[in-house]
Amino acid sequence: DVKVTQSSRYLVKRTGEKVFLECVQDMDHENMFWYRQDPGLGLRLIYFSYDVKMKEKGDIPEGYSVSREKKERFSLILESASTNQTSMYLCATRSEGGGDEKLFFGSGTQLSVL
Amino acid sequence: RKEVEQDPGPFNVPEGATVAFNCTYSNSASQSFFWYRQDCRKEPKLLMSVYSSGNEDGRFTAQLNRASQYISLLIRDSKLSDSATYLCVVNMNNFNKFYFGSGTKLNVKP
Repeated sequence: DVKVTQSSRYLVKRTGEKVFLECVQDMDHENMFWYRQDPGLGLRLIYFSYDVKMKEKGDIPEGYSVSREKKERFSLILESASTNQTSMYLCATRSEGGGDEKLFFGSGTQLSVL
Repeated sequence: RKEVEQDPGPFNVPEGATVAFNCTYSNSASQSFFWYRQDCRKEPKLLMSVYSSGNEDGRFTAQLNRASQYISLLIRDSKLSDSATYLCVVNMNNFNKFYFGSGTKLNVKP
């Protein structure tokens, strides 16, 4: 089974703090993603990475950056947290091959910015 | 207009009922289709992929209608444990571009 591990289940931070969300996968997948999920808005893509040190912006990258120094690890960084970044953050990897690529999610980090 | 649209529900059904959800997508070039299940405060988990020929997994049946651009999920003999939010997910001909519906909430009651 694919395992995607997010380092924190719940986080509470203050406005202006720098926040790191970590994600580790054990399936040697090339592609990793960060989404946020808000009620009524569904999942929205923040950034994704298709290889080590490679990244692409998703639909809502403003206020976020990412880092992929090793294949198994993909970090999301909030440079200066704001209250509108309070959300559930979900990391995912994508299976490869077979024409039926699927997403596998970590358990999520509920971030509250006060 | 959203890329993927679902009826948010909630659908409140008794145990043993049959319930169906629909999902429409806007981009005719969409290639891959999925249903995910999400429990409250948990991550989405893959329920099933949806193929053009339709596919079944136990009590769950998924159908794809490319002409009308919708996919459906049918749950037969509902169980209490089926209570969850069901997310429709579409891949837009780009392996890294997935679009999610907002989810349909199902409550199965005794």
